[in-house]
Amino acid sequence: AQKVTQAQTEISVVEKEDVTLDCVYETRDTTYYLFWYKQPPSGELVFLIRRNSFDEQNEISGRYSWNFQKSTSSFNFTITASQVVDSAVYFCALSEAGYGGATNKLIFGTGTLLAVQP
Amino acid sequence: GAGVSQSPRYKVAKRGQDVALRCDPISGHVSLFWYQQALGQGPEFLTYFQNEAQLDKSGLPSDRFFAERPEGSVSTLKIQRTQQEDSAVYLCASSSDRVGSYEQYFGPGTRLTVT
Repeated sequence: AQKVTQAQTEISVVEKEDVTLDCVYETRDTTYYLFWYKQPPSGELVFLIRRNSFDEQNEISGRYSWNFQKSTSSFNFTITASQVVDSAVYFCALSEAGYGGATNKLIFGTGTLLAVQP
Repeated sequence: GAGVSQSPRYKVAKRGQDVALRCDPISGHVSLFWYQQALGQGPEFLTYFQNEAQLDKSGLPSDRFFAERPEGSVSTLKIQRTQQEDSAVYLCASSSDRVGSYEQYFGPGTRLTVT
């Protein structure tokens, strides 16, 4: 069975601090995808990144970076120099490959609420 | 271009009433998903369409829940005889069928409150 665990329920930091959100996943599939979504107070889920299981290169996009390690089944997300606008709930999600009509439904973690204080 | 839209944004229903929630996916997106998000939880999968075909409805919690996408575009999620436990945000997402493009784009959701 597929499962995503986000052990951190809430994190509070002061602006300009770096913060890492943890994500651990379980799957028996050899090909799968990992995602991070942001859900601000407005409620709409915003896609941040997708990672393929066969590509373990870390990725950086501005203040955001992601560390994917298959050996520990983790896909952690770091925000550098956090800002108040980063305050939101962040979800990690997992899906199977979805070839040939198979459902690539997302399995979400329970989310981490990040509060960035000014 | 336009994103995924959902209507209504808020719905209050009395217990036992039927409700219908609408989703307009991104134009050209083949795949459409419905999720249910309870307060303080992550979204949970309900059902999946590829064009007009409902390929997976394993997440629908009971036979009171029904979804359709008759022309392969707009989708409707219907809940019959609503119960208090149906109170949640219902999210719709769509994605392209291009190989390697599996990210799902979400609408703003419909918040359903059953009183």
